[in-house]
Amino acid sequence: SQTIHQWPATLVQPVGSPLSLECTVEGTSNPNLYWYRQAAGRGLQLLFYSVGIGQISSEVPQNLSASRPQDRQFILSSKKLLLSDSGFYLCAWHRDTGELFFGEGSRLTVL
Amino acid sequence: GQNIDQPTEMTATEGAIVQINCTYQTSGFNGLFWYQQHAGEAPTFLSYNVLDGLEEKGRFSSFLSRSKGYSYLLLKELQMKDSASYLCAVTNAGNMLTFGGGTRLMVKP
Repeated sequence: SQTIHQWPATLVQPVGSPLSLECTVEGTSNPNLYWYRQAAGRGLQLLFYSVGIGQISSEVPQNLSASRPQDRQFILSSKKLLLSDSGFYLCAWHRDTGELFFGEGSRLTVL
Repeated sequence: GQNIDQPTEMTATEGAIVQINCTYQTSGFNGLFWYQQHAGEAPTFLSYNVLDGLEEKGRFSSFLSRSKGYSYLLLKELQMKDSASYLCAVTNAGNMLTFGGGTRLMVKP
């Protein structure tokens, strides 16, 4: 079956600390993968998308970066977190039917 | 660029019908999606419209008019569990989804 998982589910980090969120997809090959962020009470903002290994496109200048070291792995990182990086981060996979299928989400609180 | 507008909040009564509207402006329209998102959870897919008209799926229906840049999501026989945010999203020729801000629906007894 086709699944998407991301972790950790919840994390609390101090300002200036690094970040690494991981997303993996199973049951498909060469998927288009996306990272979205949702601030409290707001819509989804596209951060990065990737059409293949090592191919990353950034939609919005951020204090964040993304990497795709393997076909079914997508990682979101930061070297130094800011307060404004707090939010709900969602990894998504673009199915052949056109819909985005989301992972469970990672809630980040920066203090 | 793309611009998607939907109401911020709506309130409806259990058992009633509610219509959530979405208007959009985009280049290279390639389809419109509706997602449901409960508080603290990831969005889940509800419907997809690429041609004009009404798509019905159980208690939920979605309508699209491409010429007017307009869609609505219709929820019938509202249940308390339908309290959630409903996200309208538009995809362009590059299959990139852009989301509206979402409509938070509160269903009251």
